[in-house]
Amino acid sequence: QSALTQPASVSGSPGQSITISCTGTSSDVGSYNYVSWYQQHPGKVPKLMIYEVSNRPSGVPDHFSGSKSGNTASLIISGLQAEDEADYYCSSFTSSNTWVFGGGTKLTVL
Amino acid sequence: QVQLVESGGGEVQPGRSLRLSCAASGFTFRSHAMHWVRQAPGKGLQWVSFISWDGNTIYYADSVRGRFTISRDNSKNTVYLQMNGLRAEDTAVYYCARDKSTSYCRDYWGPGTLVTVSS
Repeated sequence: QSALTQPASVSGSPGQSITISCTGTSSDVGSYNYVSWYQQHPGKVPKLMIYEVSNRPSGVPDHFSGSKSGNTASLIISGLQAEDEADYYCSSFTSSNTWVFGGGTKLTVL
Repeated sequence: QVQLVESGGGEVQPGRSLRLSCAASGFTFRSHAMHWVRQAPGKGLQWVSFISWDGNTIYYADSVRGRFTISRDNSKNTVYLQMNGLRAEDTAVYYCARDKSTSYCRDYWGPGTLVTVSS
């Protein structure tokens, strides 16, 4: 159950767009559309931002979107806002009937 | 509104046991699977265990299989995590989370309970 691979950090200026990648294998990201993304502000509880690769729960701003190609999923944040600064984690269901998270990406809004 | 509240955390010596509870309210508990997820201090999220709505399907992470046991009581709207043979590397905040039905993700999380394993 190796963790999915995410960049440790990304940054962008307000109004810009950024992409956070999440690379797995053919046993997890590549085989299932059960990829989800979570936002976690310091000291806070994780919040579901994207599920099933590209679906947004109600209440999540529409400048968050998701996609997947092969073994890599991506979280795209367009029109960066100061409040988007947080840690982001991807997660996928796996062929072993388990779930795996990525190591997390710290997003800094410059 | 959906609420999940964990309890039972604390400091325990290596090799000892602890049972976590997660009380749910604001939704039809018996209709949802549940997860436990943990986060070591300053580290990322790690999935721990899953239990289906009826308790008949259970999964564990390799790191806890054979030591941890998940269970639920739908009459009490509560999910449990029995943790035996605790190790220093089990030190973490433990979150319970509701499974978003058919989507294999976690849509609501509790505030977490801290488990510290130390001699």
